[in-house]
Amino acid sequence: AQSVTQLGSHVSVSEGALVLLRCNYSSSVPPYLFWYVQYPNQGLQLLLKYTTGATLVKGINGFEAEFKKSETSFHLTKPSAHMSDAAEYFCAVIFSGGYNKLIFGAGTRLAVHP
Amino acid sequence: GAVVSQHPSWVICKSGTSVKIECRSLDFQATTMFWYRQFPKQSLMLMATSNEGSKATYEQGVEKDKFLINHASLTLSTLTVTSAHPEDSSFYICSARDGGGWDASYEQYFGPGTRLTVT
Repeated sequence: AQSVTQLGSHVSVSEGALVLLRCNYSSSVPPYLFWYVQYPNQGLQLLLKYTTGATLVKGINGFEAEFKKSETSFHLTKPSAHMSDAAEYFCAVIFSGGYNKLIFGAGTRLAVHP
Repeated sequence: GAVVSQHPSWVICKSGTSVKIECRSLDFQATTMFWYRQFPKQSLMLMATSNEGSKATYEQGVEKDKFLINHASLTLSTLTVTSAHPEDSSFYICSARDGGGWDASYEQYFGPGTRLTVT
């Protein structure tokens, strides 16, 4: 079955440290891939997306993600965490034949410590 | 950038009453809008897909008679929770696409959400 998995419901890093949030999908056909950020009691904001083309995608706020077909992964990274990065992060996928429906992972809560 | 608004941002209602939530695309036309439900500390679950001028398509397990969706114009979709009960308490989020057809590269823009509490 097609699914999207985020490894780690909570990730904690120190300010200035590398941020790595993991996302894997299960599908024989590469889907469209998205990362969203949600701040408390707010809607979602798109960080970046991969549809076609270059597999390393750069997004807003210094985030980037790399689509690795062989690993069915789309991990989100940021070289240096900032306190303002503390939020909930969702990986989302539109599977081929999925009628453009976004399927969300369970989410990862990122905490950034001074 | 594209902005989606929701009204109200929060609402408290008594059990048995109905509540209407509005979702508006402020600076673009949205041929398709989506309604999601989010429980505390959980992910978003798609409830239904709404296309302007046609009936909404509901996900499996979502009661269409309980969650009435109307997409009467290219900038407005409404979700009405009928005969609300405490278990309907949740965070409801809408999104809108700025393009039509099946091209999934069109971005979805999300509203800020509406927190519904049913007492």
